[in-house]
Amino acid sequence: EIVMTQSPATLSVSPGERVTLSCRASQSVSNNLAWYQQPPGQAPRLLIYGASTRATGIPARFSGSGSGTEFTLTINSLQSEDFAVYYCQQYTDWPTFGQGTKVEVK
Amino acid sequence: EVQLVESGGGLVKPGGSLRLSCAASGFTFSRYSMNWVRQAPGKGLEWVSSIDSSSSYINYADSVKGRFTISRDNAKNSVYLHMNSLRAEDTAVYYCARDEDDLVVPSLFDPWGQGTLVTVSS
Repeated sequence: EIVMTQSPATLSVSPGERVTLSCRASQSVSNNLAWYQQPPGQAPRLLIYGASTRATGIPARFSGSGSGTEFTLTINSLQSEDFAVYYCQQYTDWPTFGQGTKVEVK
Repeated sequence: EVQLVESGGGLVKPGGSLRLSCAASGFTFSRYSMNWVRQAPGKGLEWVSSIDSSSSYINYADSVKGRFTISRDNAKNSVYLHMNSLRAEDTAVYYCARDEDDLVVPSLFDPWGQGTLVTVSS
């Protein structure tokens, strides 16, 4: 099983700030990496796939980068609706998720 | 609009059974693999099971293998999860999620339903 590790566990930020979330895989997953957003009390939503391709309808302030074992999700100019938990997921092997990073209001 | 609506969750005793349903609309259901993903209270996401468009390729996480059965009815645009021998650790919100294509192994999950809560407790 490929283990996905996200950091930090929690980020306290103010609206308008830029945030960077990290995700590390226990072995190479090439670019088979997705990011999901889960607002409080809601279902997850696909943000990024292929490590850097935004899903349909996802605003340009969300961007992904990385390959192999190290990945990053960046959110520019954080909006109120962006306060949520973010998960990375690899799909090189049987899918596994990171434990999540909570982005909360500072 | 693509929509997935789960139903069938509830409270069940350890060792009991439950069947979850997911009704799909807004896309050609028979052209996609489908998945179940669960989330224990306050915890992260865990892929549970997948099924391809023709029910030829079915996969399970080790944690549910031998206890859960996934199936689909393309005529009814629905996918199901039959859960037997339920344990306390199966307590979770169960989400239905479409895969990115018709695949033999699970890949991406988009979109997701709103989820249905399964509670296993005596």
